[in-house]
Amino acid sequence: EPEVTQTPSHQVTQMGQEVILRCVPISNHLYFYWYRQILGQKVEFLVSFYNNEISEKSEIFDDQFSVERPDGSNFTLKIRSTKLEDSAMYFCAISDRGDGELFFGEGSRLTVL
Amino acid sequence: RKEVEQDPGPFNVPEGATVAFNCTYSNSASQSFFWYRQDCRKEPKLLMSVYSSGNEDGRFTAQLNRASQYISLLIRDSKLSDSATYLCAVPDTGRRALTFGSGTRLQVQP
Repeated sequence: EPEVTQTPSHQVTQMGQEVILRCVPISNHLYFYWYRQILGQKVEFLVSFYNNEISEKSEIFDDQFSVERPDGSNFTLKIRSTKLEDSAMYFCAISDRGDGELFFGEGSRLTVL
Repeated sequence: RKEVEQDPGPFNVPEGATVAFNCTYSNSASQSFFWYRQDCRKEPKLLMSVYSSGNEDGRFTAQLNRASQYISLLIRDSKLSDSATYLCAVPDTGRRALTFGSGTRLQVQP
Protein backbone atom coordinates (compact mmCIF):
# COMPACT_ATOMS: atom_id res chain seq x y z
CA GLU A 1 0.00 0.00 0.00
CA PRO A 2 1.66 3.24 -1.11
CA GLU A 3 2.02 6.10 1.35
CA VAL A 4 1.24 8.63 -1.36
CA THR A 5 -0.56 8.58 -4.67
CA GLN A 6 0.50 10.77 -7.55
CA THR A 7 -1.46 12.04 -10.51
CA PRO A 8 -1.20 12.03 -13.42
CA SER A 9 0.93 8.97 -13.96
CA HIS A 10 2.00 10.35 -17.33
CA GLN A 11 1.50 13.76 -18.88
CA VAL A 12 2.54 14.91 -22.32
CA THR A 13 2.62 18.65 -22.86
CA GLN A 14 3.85 21.22 -25.31
CA MET A 15 6.82 23.41 -24.47
CA GLY A 16 5.69 26.60 -22.76
CA GLN A 17 2.56 25.09 -21.22
CA GLU A 18 1.84 25.02 -17.51
CA VAL A 19 1.76 21.68 -15.75
CA ILE A 20 0.47 20.76 -12.30
CA LEU A 21 1.51 17.50 -10.70
CA ARG A 22 -0.40 16.27 -7.67
CA CYS A 23 0.51 14.22 -4.67
CA VAL A 24 -2.02 12.93 -2.14
CA PRO A 25 -0.71 11.49 1.09
CA ILE A 26 -2.67 8.52 2.42
CA SER A 27 -2.46 9.76 5.98
CA ASN A 28 -1.06 12.69 7.90
CA HIS A 29 2.63 13.37 7.41
CA LEU A 30 4.86 16.24 8.39
CA TYR A 31 7.40 16.59 5.60
CA PHE A 32 6.76 16.65 1.87
CA TYR A 33 9.27 16.59 -0.94
CA TRP A 34 9.50 16.74 -4.68
CA TYR A 35 12.35 15.00 -6.46
CA ARG A 36 12.86 14.44 -10.13
CA GLN A 37 14.76 11.91 -12.20
CA ILE A 38 15.66 12.56 -15.80
CA LEU A 39 15.77 9.29 -17.72
CA GLY A 40 19.03 7.50 -17.07
CA GLN A 41 20.19 10.03 -14.49
CA LYS A 42 20.13 10.28 -10.75
CA VAL A 43 17.32 11.28 -8.43
CA GLU A 44 17.59 15.04 -7.79
CA PHE A 45 16.11 17.05 -4.94
CA LEU A 46 13.82 19.91 -5.89
CA VAL A 47 12.06 21.16 -2.77
CA SER A 48 10.97 20.24 0.73
CA PHE A 49 7.86 21.51 2.47
CA TYR A 50 7.16 21.57 6.18
CA ASN A 51 4.52 23.30 8.23
CA ASN A 52 2.87 24.66 5.09
CA GLU A 53 5.94 26.41 3.76
CA ILE A 54 9.07 25.66 1.78
CA SER A 55 11.88 24.60 4.09
CA GLU A 56 14.58 23.91 1.49
CA LYS A 57 14.96 24.13 -2.25
CA SER A 58 17.66 23.26 -4.74
CA GLU A 59 19.22 25.27 -7.53
CA ILE A 60 16.93 23.45 -9.93
CA PHE A 61 13.83 24.87 -8.21
CA ASP A 62 13.83 28.26 -9.94
CA ASP A 63 11.03 30.75 -10.54
CA GLN A 64 9.38 28.38 -13.00
CA PHE A 65 8.51 26.02 -10.16
CA SER A 66 6.12 26.45 -7.27
CA VAL A 67 4.59 24.18 -4.66
CA GLU A 68 1.35 24.41 -2.73
CA ARG A 69 -0.70 22.48 -0.27
CA PRO A 70 -3.95 24.28 -1.00
CA ASP A 71 -6.44 22.23 0.98
CA GLY A 72 -4.24 20.64 3.60
CA SER A 73 -4.31 17.38 1.71
CA ASN A 74 -3.07 17.63 -1.88
CA PHE A 75 0.52 18.70 -2.38
CA THR A 76 1.14 20.12 -5.83
CA LEU A 77 4.13 21.00 -7.98
CA LYS A 78 3.50 23.56 -10.68
CA ILE A 79 5.80 24.23 -13.60
CA ARG A 80 4.74 27.50 -15.17
CA SER A 81 6.27 27.32 -18.62
CA THR A 82 7.67 23.92 -19.38
CA LYS A 83 10.93 23.44 -21.25
CA LEU A 84 12.17 20.37 -23.07
CA GLU A 85 14.65 19.72 -20.28
CA ASP A 86 11.81 19.46 -17.74
CA SER A 87 11.00 16.04 -19.19
CA ALA A 88 11.56 13.67 -16.30
CA MET A 89 9.89 11.49 -13.71
CA TYR A 90 8.71 13.62 -10.80
CA PHE A 91 8.49 11.87 -7.45
CA CYS A 92 6.62 13.11 -4.43
CA ALA A 93 7.93 11.81 -1.12
CA ILE A 94 6.83 12.05 2.48
CA SER A 95 8.59 11.66 5.77
CA ASP A 96 7.48 11.71 9.38
CA ARG A 97 10.90 12.52 10.79
CA GLY A 98 12.47 14.74 8.11
CA ASP A 99 15.68 12.80 8.46
CA GLY A 100 16.00 11.03 5.15
CA GLU A 101 13.65 8.07 5.61
CA LEU A 102 11.52 8.96 2.64
CA PHE A 103 8.56 7.15 1.18
CA PHE A 104 8.14 7.91 -2.48
CA GLY A 105 5.06 7.91 -4.63
CA GLU A 106 5.06 6.01 -7.89
CA GLY A 107 5.95 9.13 -9.80
CA SER A 108 4.49 11.27 -12.56
CA ARG A 109 6.23 11.03 -15.90
CA LEU A 110 6.33 14.38 -17.69
CA THR A 111 7.13 14.52 -21.37
CA VAL A 112 7.61 17.97 -22.89
CA LEU A 113 7.46 18.16 -26.68
CA ARG B 1 34.64 15.66 -4.78
CA LYS B 2 31.04 14.88 -5.70
CA GLU B 3 28.56 14.90 -2.81
CA VAL B 4 27.75 11.22 -3.22
CA GLU B 5 29.61 8.88 -5.51
CA GLN B 6 28.88 5.29 -6.45
CA ASP B 7 30.36 2.74 -8.82
CA PRO B 8 27.66 2.46 -11.52
CA GLY B 9 28.32 -1.22 -12.19
CA PRO B 10 26.68 -3.28 -13.44
CA PHE B 11 27.60 -5.98 -11.00
CA ASN B 12 26.69 -9.34 -12.54
CA VAL B 13 26.68 -12.07 -9.92
CA PRO B 14 25.31 -15.61 -9.72
CA GLU B 15 22.50 -16.52 -7.37
CA GLY B 16 23.79 -17.19 -3.89
CA ALA B 17 26.80 -14.92 -4.23
CA THR B 18 27.79 -12.21 -1.79
CA VAL B 19 28.17 -8.76 -3.28
CA ALA B 20 29.22 -5.44 -1.80
CA PHE B 21 28.81 -1.88 -3.01
CA ASN B 22 30.58 1.19 -1.76
CA CYS B 23 29.40 4.77 -1.66
CA THR B 24 31.66 7.72 -0.86
CA TYR B 25 30.29 11.00 0.45
CA SER B 26 31.68 14.47 0.98
CA ASN B 27 29.53 15.77 3.85
CA SER B 28 31.72 14.89 6.82
CA ALA B 29 29.12 16.30 9.23
CA SER B 30 26.36 13.92 8.17
CA GLN B 31 24.90 11.77 10.93
CA SER B 32 22.61 9.68 8.78
CA PHE B 33 22.99 7.60 5.66
CA PHE B 34 20.54 5.67 3.57
CA TRP B 35 20.37 2.91 1.02
CA TYR B 36 17.45 2.84 -1.36
CA ARG B 37 16.54 0.27 -3.96
CA GLN B 38 15.12 1.30 -7.32
CA ASP B 39 13.65 -1.10 -9.82
CA CYS B 40 13.62 -0.10 -13.48
CA ARG B 41 11.28 2.88 -14.04
CA LYS B 42 9.92 2.64 -10.50
CA GLU B 43 10.21 4.82 -7.43
CA PRO B 44 13.10 4.46 -4.96
CA LYS B 45 12.24 2.40 -1.90
CA LEU B 46 14.02 2.70 1.40
CA LEU B 47 16.16 -0.34 2.08
CA MET B 48 18.24 0.60 5.11
CA SER B 49 19.06 3.55 7.32
CA VAL B 50 22.42 3.94 9.03
CA TYR B 51 22.71 6.25 12.02
CA SER B 52 25.78 4.82 13.73
CA SER B 53 28.44 2.37 12.63
CA GLY B 54 26.15 0.06 10.74
CA ASN B 55 22.90 -1.79 10.42
CA GLU B 56 21.87 -5.32 9.56
CA ASP B 57 18.56 -6.62 8.26
CA GLY B 58 18.50 -10.24 7.20
CA ARG B 59 20.77 -10.71 4.21
CA PHE B 60 21.59 -7.01 4.03
CA THR B 61 24.30 -5.27 6.03
CA ALA B 62 25.25 -1.62 5.80
CA GLN B 63 28.50 -0.38 7.32
CA LEU B 64 29.76 3.12 7.84
CA ASN B 65 33.40 4.18 7.76
CA ARG B 66 33.48 7.79 8.94
CA ALA B 67 37.25 8.15 8.69
CA SER B 68 37.24 7.32 5.00
CA GLN B 69 33.77 8.76 4.41
CA TYR B 70 32.13 5.80 2.80
CA ILE B 71 29.26 3.48 3.46
CA SER B 72 28.94 0.00 2.10
CA LEU B 73 26.05 -2.33 1.42
CA LEU B 74 26.64 -6.05 1.62
CA ILE B 75 24.11 -8.50 0.20
CA ARG B 76 24.56 -12.14 1.16
CA ASP B 77 23.00 -15.11 -0.63
CA SER B 78 21.85 -13.02 -3.59
CA LYS B 79 18.42 -13.76 -5.03
CA LEU B 80 17.18 -13.09 -8.53
CA SER B 81 14.76 -10.61 -6.98
CA ASP B 82 17.68 -8.54 -5.67
CA SER B 83 18.35 -7.39 -9.24
CA ALA B 84 17.85 -3.62 -9.11
CA THR B 85 19.73 -0.35 -8.81
CA TYR B 86 20.93 0.48 -5.32
CA LEU B 87 21.03 4.16 -4.46
CA CYS B 88 23.08 5.67 -1.70
CA ALA B 89 21.70 8.87 -0.16
CA VAL B 90 23.26 11.34 2.25
CA PRO B 91 22.00 14.73 3.47
CA ASP B 92 23.49 17.65 1.57
CA THR B 93 26.19 19.68 3.25
CA GLY B 94 24.41 22.27 5.37
CA ARG B 95 20.99 20.90 4.51
CA ARG B 96 18.62 18.16 5.51
CA ALA B 97 17.58 17.25 1.99
CA LEU B 98 19.08 14.07 0.60
CA THR B 99 21.57 13.90 -2.22
CA PHE B 100 21.36 10.64 -4.08
CA GLY B 101 24.18 8.87 -5.79
CA SER B 102 23.80 7.74 -9.36
CA GLY B 103 23.22 4.19 -8.18
CA THR B 104 24.89 0.84 -8.60
CA ARG B 105 23.13 -1.66 -10.82
CA LEU B 106 23.02 -5.27 -9.66
CA GLN B 107 22.06 -8.13 -11.93
CA VAL B 108 21.73 -11.52 -10.23
CA GLN B 109 21.87 -14.35 -12.70
CA PRO B 110 20.48 -17.89 -12.39
